[in-house]
Amino acid sequence: AQSVTQPDIHITVSEGASLELRCNYSYGATPYLFWYVQSPGQGLQLLLKYFSGDTLVQGIKGFEAEFKRSQSSFNLRKPSVHWSDAAEYFCAVGRNTGNQFYFGTGTSLTVIP
Amino acid sequence: GAVVSQHPSWVICKSGTSVKIECRSLDFQATTMFWYRQFPKQSLMLMATSNEGSKATYEQGVEKDKFLINHASLTLSTLTVTSAHPEDSSFYICSASQGSPGQPQHFGDGTRLSIL
Repeated sequence: AQSVTQPDIHITVSEGASLELRCNYSYGATPYLFWYVQSPGQGLQLLLKYFSGDTLVQGIKGFEAEFKRSQSSFNLRKPSVHWSDAAEYFCAVGRNTGNQFYFGTGTSLTVIP
Repeated sequence: GAVVSQHPSWVICKSGTSVKIECRSLDFQATTMFWYRQFPKQSLMLMATSNEGSKATYEQGVEKDKFLINHASLTLSTLTVTSAHPEDSSFYICSASQGSPGQPQHFGDGTRLSIL
């Protein structure tokens, strides 16, 4: 069965520190992969996406993610976290047929001064 | 680009009232729109998928007669919560996609529905 796992429910990092949010997926074919960010009480904003090609994908707000087929992972990274990055982060896998997504359960990021 | 507008952002109403939520794609044509429900501190739960001009496809366990979805144009989908009750209180989010597999979904800002 298709699924998306975000192992870390909550992560706390200091401002200026590096960040890595984990995402593992289970999908029969080459997946379409996405990372979204959600601030409290708001919708989701697309950070980046992977369709094919270069496995290191650059996104907005200084985020990047690397697709590793051998590990079935698509981890999100940022070299230096800002206080405004505190939010909920969701990894998603898009189906190859249709447009439906499988969402992970999310990782809540807290940034401390 | 790829802006999705969702209205209203917050609704408080009495039990038994029907509530309509609109989702509009402002700068692109949305072949497919999705409606999600999100409980506090949880992920998004897909309620239904709607394609322009056809009936929505509901996920298992979602009552079709309770949550009416209309996708009459390529830029507008509506979700009507009929005869709402307190257990329908939740955060509802719509998203829109241009339809091809692999296209990202673009999300509205959500609607906080509170039924008294």
